[in-house]
Amino acid sequence: NAGVTQTPKFRVLKTGQSMTLLCAQDMNHEYMYWYRQDPGMGLRLIHYSVGEGTTAKGEVPDGYNVSRLKKQNFLLGLESAAPSQTSVYFCASSLAGEGSGELFFGEGSRLTVL
Amino acid sequence: GQNIDQPTEMTATEGAIVQINCTYQTSGFNGLFWYQQHAGEAPTFLSYNVLDGLEEKGRFSSFLSRSKGYSYLLLKELQMKDSASYLCAVRDSNYQLIWGAGTKLIIKP
Repeated sequence: NAGVTQTPKFRVLKTGQSMTLLCAQDMNHEYMYWYRQDPGMGLRLIHYSVGEGTTAKGEVPDGYNVSRLKKQNFLLGLESAAPSQTSVYFCASSLAGEGSGELFFGEGSRLTVL
Repeated sequence: GQNIDQPTEMTATEGAIVQINCTYQTSGFNGLFWYQQHAGEAPTFLSYNVLDGLEEKGRFSSFLSRSKGYSYLLLKELQMKDSASYLCAVRDSNYQLIWGAGTKLIIKP
């Protein structure tokens, strides 16, 4: 019973490098989200998707891009990483909208940008 | 602006009771969630309140007062495994979630 799986779990980048975080869910959820979690702050929504082929901006979208080509996968891309993007990234999914019900989170991806 | 306030850290003793408070100021209110997050792990859902009053679920209870913009999570018969961060999140008028920074609960034997 995998739930929500994120890869990679850890990554170190140099400023200016690019990378993609992959999120996969096996619960047939329509909604998927990418959050970042920083010390002393609440979770902040980066981008989200309400279904296959759709994406939308959240609270802090700058510097990130996303794609949802398949219902079960939601990719988060950093085109040119900056030290301010050092964070723990969580993917989540839900059956209904973000505020409508329980969110199921992945284990997190810890990204360090040097 | 929208704001969720929770204590940064609390300490309690194994077997005791602890209450974690959450106050909020948001653009509308459509429900409040509590999540538990162990260190280095994913947040997991604990409870949901949309009406005033107490919701009980085993050792955990959650209370809501909409008029006061206030909720608390009550943990009874504390166990060492309850050491975790507890996140409060409010659903605003746009059905977006606003998250608090979380309360780190330390349980001592």
